[in-house]
Amino acid sequence: ELKVEQNPLFLSMQEGKNYTIYCNYSTTSDRLYWYRQDPGKSLESLFVLLSNGAVKQEGRLMASLDTKARLSTLHITAAVHDLSATYFCAVANYGGATNKLIFGTGTLLAVQP
Amino acid sequence: NAGVMQNPRHLVRRRGQEARLRCSPMKGHSHVYWYRQLPEEGLKFMVYLQKENIIDESGMPKERFSAEFPKEGPSILRIQQVVRGDSAAYFCASSSLAGEGEQFFGPGTRLTVL
Repeated sequence: ELKVEQNPLFLSMQEGKNYTIYCNYSTTSDRLYWYRQDPGKSLESLFVLLSNGAVKQEGRLMASLDTKARLSTLHITAAVHDLSATYFCAVANYGGATNKLIFGTGTLLAVQP
Repeated sequence: NAGVMQNPRHLVRRRGQEARLRCSPMKGHSHVYWYRQLPEEGLKFMVYLQKENIIDESGMPKERFSAEFPKEGPSILRIQQVVRGDSAAYFCASSSLAGEGEQFFGPGTRLTVL
């Protein structure tokens, strides 16, 4: 069964600092998603990573995928308070006709001024 | 182009009552997924449906939960005889393709069982 682990679970950082969130998964998949969730809100799609070595950047966030290591990273550069949220990675689990997403536990990011 | 719509956004039920959650997929999407998010946890897959068919219900509790996606109208997740442990946020997602289509999430229904 596909398992997805994220770390850290909680991250408190100061504005202007850099940090990385890690997402490991247990079986082969070539489709990984990063989402942002604000309290009481739905999921906002940040990145879709489709192949080994994929790297995508949007503003202060950059995501990468290494399918051989079964690892994705979400790197935060020069954090600002507006980035405070919970970040989830999710891996597509292909099994027969399904395309369900297996989510990590989430990383609660708190950016302190 | 309206996104995925869910209603109600908030639902309060007493123990033993029934809860019905509705999901209207994006226009042109015929694949619907339901996920549950318990407090302080990530989302867990429940069920995947196409029009008039349940494709994968491996994440559904064996009792009290059912889902449908009729030919006409929204997909419905039904919870009978709710218990406090059913309190959670229930998210619906839709996609246009089965295997490779990105899933777009609705705003969720937050169910509170008193």
